[in-house]
Amino acid sequence: GQQLNQSPQSMFIQEGEDVSMNCTSSSIFNTWLWYKQDPGEGPVLLIALYKAGELTSNGRLTAQFGITRKDSFLNISASIPSDVGIYFCAGQFYNQGGKLIFGQGTELSVKP
Amino acid sequence: DSGVTQTPKHLITATGQRVTLRCSPRSGDLSVYWYQQSLDQGLQFLIQYYNGEERAKGNILERFSAQQFPDLHSELNLSSLELGDSALYFCASSRMGGGNQPQHFGDGTRLSIL
Repeated sequence: GQQLNQSPQSMFIQEGEDVSMNCTSSSIFNTWLWYKQDPGEGPVLLIALYKAGELTSNGRLTAQFGITRKDSFLNISASIPSDVGIYFCAGQFYNQGGKLIFGQGTELSVKP
Repeated sequence: DSGVTQTPKHLITATGQRVTLRCSPRSGDLSVYWYQQSLDQGLQFLIQYYNGEERAKGNILERFSAQQFPDLHSELNLSSLELGDSALYFCASSRMGGGNQPQHFGDGTRLSIL
């Protein structure tokens, strides 16, 4: 199936460090979304982006919708242990009913 | 709590069997989506319903079918199960069915085929 290219696949960082991950696609999306998934749970929506160039924050999280509409990044500042989990980007087309195309995920580990 | 409810949480069955997964969307949401999550394929879109009507289809196998009922809950039916169908199945919902609607996910049903 179609997927986005998400990197890095995994990250091991020290508590307090900043984190950056990104997604690229060969397709132009109308919406980019970022989700976090903890073990045994479903993906939880973190940030939704609707316009090219849009920069949106949610607490220590900041995400941007790329100008070309083919990429997005997520930054986490001053990481804490509860940031541990798998982060997914997802792209959405305007005219395909709203289905999400997901990246492969970035697994984040935070060392206290 | 996303407000999306999925049952059962776990399902263990044998090859060749048929199962039904159930999803109740968030209050006020008209659209329901089904996704499959496996280690090799990641999160893949299966099918979408909006207000009782099928809206979009992904790479859903012919052995799989879904429907959305008048009360907006949805069921995903998986039949003639194979070992490769073992996966996490997620339901998500959104207010409307368009391409600018954030989706909220349930906690999934883990299906294990023995």
